[in-house]
Amino acid sequence: EAGVAQSPRYKIIEKRQSVAFWCNPISGHATLYWYQQILGQGPKLLIQFQNNGVVDDSQLPKDRFSAERLKGVDSTLKIQPAKLEDSAVYLCASSLTGAVAEAFFGQGTRLTVV
Amino acid sequence: GQQVMQIPQYQHVQEGEDFTTYCNSSTTLSNIQWYKQRPGGHPVFLIQLVKSGEVKKQKRLTFQFGEAKKNSSLHITATQTTDVGTYFCAGVNYGQNFVFGPGTRLSVLP
Repeated sequence: EAGVAQSPRYKIIEKRQSVAFWCNPISGHATLYWYQQILGQGPKLLIQFQNNGVVDDSQLPKDRFSAERLKGVDSTLKIQPAKLEDSAVYLCASSLTGAVAEAFFGQGTRLTVV
Repeated sequence: GQQVMQIPQYQHVQEGEDFTTYCNSSTTLSNIQWYKQRPGGHPVFLIQLVKSGEVKKQKRLTFQFGEAKKNSSLHITATQTTDVGTYFCAGVNYGQNFVFGPGTRLSVLP
């Protein structure tokens, strides 16, 4: 079974630039999560999708972050404009259905904002 | 909002010693999950606990869910160097929101 795919693995950008991350969840998984993990901290949920609908985006900084999951499969997370404090690993995870099932994480995208 | 805390933040043990990490939620949980993240890696699911007072074992790992469904623990017997990593609990509330704790980083000295 293929895992959760994310790209790119690494990204370095200057502050005020924009960046996009891509995630392809495990086939058949209805729930998709984007997490931000700052070094030394636990993953912080940014947004949760159920199919192509948003379930929870309460911690997404909507003035600069946006995410979409077209057709309920792949998802993209965008930051525009980036700030220094956005430097983190962005993890995508998927589960069969909601938080009653285990979440499978991708390798993550390490973002450095300089 | 829901908060999930873990103690200790760091634990250094000699190989063969036992290790325990504790997880506490500010709200009652529908279930709790535990994940392990190796240095440079991504979180990997270990187990899910659903029932009040539930105890589950995986080889040298023992997981407990408190009677009030607000706390949990992970105990590792006779640690090995392969146990190195950060252990996260993730509390799931009845609104189906996933909240990760800050993690306990385990170092095992050979």
